[in-house]
Amino acid sequence: ETGVTQSPTHLIKTRGQQVTLRCSSQSGHNTVSWYQQALGQGPQFIFQYYREEENGRGNFPPRFSGLQFPNYSSELNVNALELDDSALYLCASSPGQGDGYTFGSGTRLTVV
Amino acid sequence: GQNIDQPTEMTATEGAIVQINCTYQTSGFNGLFWYQQHAGEAPTFLSYNVLDGLEEKGRFSSFLSRSKGYSYLLLKELQMKDSASYLCAVGDNAGNMLTFGGGTRLMVKP
Repeated sequence: ETGVTQSPTHLIKTRGQQVTLRCSSQSGHNTVSWYQQALGQGPQFIFQYYREEENGRGNFPPRFSGLQFPNYSSELNVNALELDDSALYLCASSPGQGDGYTFGSGTRLTVV
Repeated sequence: GQNIDQPTEMTATEGAIVQINCTYQTSGFNGLFWYQQHAGEAPTFLSYNVLDGLEEKGRFSSFLSRSKGYSYLLLKELQMKDSASYLCAVGDNAGNMLTFGGGTRLMVKP
């Protein structure tokens, strides 16, 4: 059973809306990364947080933003949702940068 | 740029051996990871190679050649539950992100 939990598991939003996805990491996991996985494809890196600071970002527009909190939880916020944002969003945490990652089961977002 | 290639689909028979190849061209390298992902579930860690050679872990082995930008995952004594997608991923120099291939969907048949 994974030590990383994500909520909600499924979500349906309308184009133009905003969404917040949540992740709770294992205690002591100071690094959290978020990935977007379209159907039938590999995960794409969105960004990473280390000790509440963003320290890496993939090729995603600024309307994708995040927060990391001291209690090992984090959020992914997406503004002005587009149809192409429909995907599985995965949270992954690790004890430190470059260590092995534990993935959550993801949030399936559908934008209609 | 980052480019990771692996076959889209493979089929194998229960009890057999299958090798899933992965080639990569990345601007940085801090190890190669293999993950297994069942449909609708989280990717689960299988192996990590940072030095050349073979790493064996039970029925699963992973090989890395950094000079060739090549890795493979070897699955022995295939079981029906091994039917899943297998993701090859390269870690960047800073350890900030994993770049994934598109995944190989493995179907194990009786």
